[in-house]
Amino acid sequence: DVKVTQSSRYLVKRTGEKVFLECVQDMDHENMFWYRQDPGLGLRLIYFSYDVKMKEKGDIPEGYSVSREKKERFSLILESASTNQTSMYLCASSLPWTKETQYFGPGTRLLVL
Amino acid sequence: SQQGEEDPQALSIQEGENATMNCSYKTSINNLQWYRQNSGRGLVHLILIRSNEREKHSGRLRVTLDTSKKSSSLLITASRAADTASYFCATAETSGSRLTFGEGTQLTVNP
Repeated sequence: DVKVTQSSRYLVKRTGEKVFLECVQDMDHENMFWYRQDPGLGLRLIYFSYDVKMKEKGDIPEGYSVSREKKERFSLILESASTNQTSMYLCASSLPWTKETQYFGPGTRLLVL
Repeated sequence: SQQGEEDPQALSIQEGENATMNCSYKTSINNLQWYRQNSGRGLVHLILIRSNEREKHSGRLRVTLDTSKKSSSLLITASRAADTASYFCATAETSGSRLTFGEGTQLTVNP
């Protein structure tokens, strides 16, 4: 079974802090994704990566950056956290064809005070 | 409205009844997928149906796809309390490179 893990289930940070969210997958998937999920807005794609050191902006990349130095790990970085980045963050991975099944981690609920 | 809209937004039924959720979309698709999310957790893939397929089954799940109407339905038969969750459809557009998720249907199955 594919396993996608995220570094924290719950995280509380202060405005202005730099925040790192880590995601690791164990199935050698080429593609990895970061979404945020907010009530009434569904899942929105922040960034995705289709290979090591490669990244593509999603629908809402502003205020975020990503890093993929190794195939199994995809990090989401909030350079200076703001209260409007309080959300549920979901990581996913998939085989090379981005239209195929995505496998999700358990999510990180981030609260920015 | 966005690609992949689920209907209804919320559904409450009794254990043993069938639950039907619908998804409508706007553009041509390569495939359509259904996912389930338990409260506060990640999404779990349930089933994928390709644009050239009309119906697919997996256990108690039945998915239909009508590309002429740009709609899909997910039927859960003989529902159980453990089926209580949010259900999302996701569309893979023909011209796009990624999935687009709807806002989900919240299903509550009462024991």
